[in-house]
Amino acid sequence: EAQVTQNPRYLITVTGKKLTVTCSQNMNHEYMSWYRQDPGLGLRQIYYSMNVEVTDKGDVPEGYKVSRKEKRNFPLILESPSPNQTSLYFCASTPGGWTSPNEQFFGPGTRLTVL
Amino acid sequence: DQQVKQNSPSLSVQEGRISILNCDYTNSMFDYFLWYKKYPAEGPTFLISISSIKDKNEDGRFTVFLNKSAKHLSLHIVPSQPGDSAVYFCAASEYSGGGADGLTFGKGTHLIIQP
Repeated sequence: EAQVTQNPRYLITVTGKKLTVTCSQNMNHEYMSWYRQDPGLGLRQIYYSMNVEVTDKGDVPEGYKVSRKEKRNFPLILESPSPNQTSLYFCASTPGGWTSPNEQFFGPGTRLTVL
Repeated sequence: DQQVKQNSPSLSVQEGRISILNCDYTNSMFDYFLWYKKYPAEGPTFLISISSIKDKNEDGRFTVFLNKSAKHLSLHIVPSQPGDSAVYFCAASEYSGGGADGLTFGKGTHLIIQP
């Protein structure tokens, strides 16, 4: 089954404790993104990657890091989480390329609470 | 500055009637528009899209209309069904391809279908 998976689905942590949210897709998509969803703000892009070892900042990158060492995986790293990073996070992938419509496939989400 | 606006946070429609969700945009470079549907505890799923070279795209009960001069698009659902109750996000891109860096989302409209 074609899908984007994220782990963990739920996480409660404390300020300053490093954490990683994993994302994996099995569709051989080139492009992957991370978004956060906050009440009244919709979906905002954190980082994206156009291919292995190619990443770039989205609209709200502060406090986050990403890596793309393999095509299928795109982990989101919070080196020192703070309460304002409490949010619902979504990973997404898309085939990419100029012949592919910009239709992104989303994972199920990770609910992060930073105390 | 919000480039994609969904001014109705929620909309209630009776089952069997038409649901009309609206979206406005400010960036004249946007040329590809998408609608996503999101149920609680799930990631958004792609619903329908439209390129700027068209003014209408239809897929079953779902039709998207684009008025470029007004920078406005709308999603029509006819007839509305209980399973349509969800949050709907409007998204826009400057490219029809190109992948992860192109999507800007609105804040979403919560559609409630009343029995």
